[in-house]
Amino acid sequence: DTGVSQDPRHKITKRGQNVTFRCDPISEHNRLYWYRQTLGQGPEFLTYFQNEAQLEKSRLLSDRFSAERPKGSFSTLEIQRTEQGDSAMYLCASSFDGAKETQYFGPGTRLLVL
Amino acid sequence: AQTVTQSQPEMSVQEAETVTLSCTYDTSESDYYLFWYKQPPSRQMILVIRQEAYKQQNATENRFSVNFQKAAKSFSLKISDSQLGDAAMYFCAYFDSNYQLIWGAGTKLIIKP
Repeated sequence: DTGVSQDPRHKITKRGQNVTFRCDPISEHNRLYWYRQTLGQGPEFLTYFQNEAQLEKSRLLSDRFSAERPKGSFSTLEIQRTEQGDSAMYLCASSFDGAKETQYFGPGTRLLVL
Repeated sequence: AQTVTQSQPEMSVQEAETVTLSCTYDTSESDYYLFWYKQPPSRQMILVIRQEAYKQQNATENRFSVNFQKAAKSFSLKISDSQLGDAAMYFCAYFDSNYQLIWGAGTKLIIKP
């Protein structure tokens, strides 16, 4: 068990570019979550997968954001036409059915949009 | 909608002493979970302790314990024998029926050597 991993750890992009982040959950965890955290704030929920099904999406997740979890394993979060307001830490977490409420977090991807 | 409030933006404590971080929440649900996570600078979110609302007994994990007051909707974290490695942002979080964690704004804990 290597924990939740995220790639890349840091991303700098220019406004208008597309970016994609990857999250690999703990291997036996079937639930996967994405959160966004801005400096000095607590995380905000973005979306949630149970296996490959995306069950919940926050209204924070605009049309420019899309998340996938093919085959119920790793997940990707894509942001199209990035804006400076997208600059934040993007956190991924996972849990399993036996303790679905207890989420374990990855190190995050820090995005800076110039 | 559920909300979580941490009223202390920053707390400091002398090494080896005890400190209590406050958290209140608002919910109409009767069964739920509460968590404390710590986030050291530039490092990942780490689970500190969890509490099931249906359990009256306060959770403890080594030097970390909670004071859970369900009627008052209060969930404070006590850290005993504070260590330099405890310095971090501490977040209180509520797990809701939509499988989301609702977070407080965090408390920055400073440990004075």
